[in-house]
Amino acid sequence: DVKVTQSSRYLVKRTGEKVFLECVQDMDHENMFWYRQDPGLGLRLIYFSYDVKMKEKGDIPEGYSVSREKKERFSLILESASTNQTSMYLCASTGTGTAFFGQGTRLTVV
Amino acid sequence: GENVEQHPSTLSVQEGDSAVIKCTYSDSASNYFPWYKQELGKGPQLIIDIRSNVGEKKDQRIAVTLNKTAKHFSLHITETQPEDSAVYFCAASERTLGRLYFGRGTQLTVWP
Repeated sequence: DVKVTQSSRYLVKRTGEKVFLECVQDMDHENMFWYRQDPGLGLRLIYFSYDVKMKEKGDIPEGYSVSREKKERFSLILESASTNQTSMYLCASTGTGTAFFGQGTRLTVV
Repeated sequence: GENVEQHPSTLSVQEGDSAVIKCTYSDSASNYFPWYKQELGKGPQLIIDIRSNVGEKKDQRIAVTLNKTAKHFSLHITETQPEDSAVYFCAASERTLGRLYFGRGTQLTVWP
């Protein structure tokens, strides 16, 4: 069974904090993605990676960065969390076309 | 880039009725069209997908149709059940290993 695991289901952070969201996949997939999901806006792509140490900006990269030091792990970093980054964050990995998602991290910035 | 439009945003049906969700896409190079179901508190899960060389695909109560000329594709769920209640997303990709472009989702509610 393919597994994409996100490190936390729920997180509460303070404004200005540096926040790390971790994602690990066990299927040796090359491609990994970070999305945020907001009501009425669907899934918006923040960053993606096609290979280790490689990253590409998605549609809404402002305020975020990523790290991919190992093939199985893709981290999303909020350099200085703000209240408008309160959202559901979803990690995904793809093999031969099918994207597999993690369970999501609901982040609240107060 | 690709633009995927999805309608309706909400859909309510009686148990046993059919449900249809429609999507359009803009990039004629797109050739892979998956559908995802997201239940409350979970990540999206693939339920069916179709590639551009196929016009229709069925899996038990769900089917997807693709019209490449008109650039639209649809999800059909027959004999709906309360457990079909969820948010459904369509997506398009121009290559099977590439990024997916998602529609905004449809909240389907099936009333018993």
